[in-house]
Amino acid sequence: SYELTQPPSVSVSPGQTARITCSGDALPKQYAYWYQQKPGQAPVLVIYKDSERPSGIPERFSGSSSGTTVTLTISGVQAEDEADYYCQSADSSGTSWVFGGGTKLTVL
Amino acid sequence: EVQLVESGGGLVQPGRSLRLSCTASGFTFGDYAMSWVRQAPGKGLEWVGFIRSKAYGGTTEYAASVKGRFTISRDDSKSIAYLQMNSLKTEDTAVYYCTRDYYDSSGYSLGYDYWGQGTLVTVSS
Repeated sequence: SYELTQPPSVSVSPGQTARITCSGDALPKQYAYWYQQKPGQAPVLVIYKDSERPSGIPERFSGSSSGTTVTLTISGVQAEDEADYYCQSADSSGTSWVFGGGTKLTVL
Repeated sequence: EVQLVESGGGLVQPGRSLRLSCTASGFTFGDYAMSWVRQAPGKGLEWVGFIRSKAYGGTTEYAASVKGRFTISRDDSKSIAYLQMNSLKTEDTAVYYCTRDYYDSSGYSLGYDYWGQGTLVTVSS
């Protein structure tokens, strides 16, 4: 079955830039989506279609795609950004969706 | 205000069935695909499946882990999506979220922009 691979953890100091990667064979032809989840809360969509930002999401969140890897970038990280981040995409057929294993972002 | 409210969770024995409901309000339910996502305790998100809007045929897709056991349906007149879970296993224990998903004119998903609060399903003897 199709898999998306994320690093388990990323740590940054406040004000620095955090980059979270997600790799998958079908990413060159399928869009990726990113979700932020804080403890005890439902996930929140922060990036859709690789690089689009939903209304209400701060401009410091951005997404990019290159080959089989997509990247969520958080510029000027704030303490409130500490959370788990999940990428999501579809397999090459577009009918089966999958989440990456999640990345815990720690703000030092 | 968009709201998604799941209900129907609880404790169930292995091999039994359970039906979850997702009651929607604040948007035109029939225009959206509806998806189910679960999260086992302390684990990551797992896509369960979805049902397309009638405009896209109202068809369903499922994760391999639940295919043949789970069924997603919808009642657009009541703005409710359902997840029928049969032959439950202990590994189905999770918080189950429903989400909405809009497909643009090019047929691309705009992502799960609203989620319910989740309902806990515990499968145990």
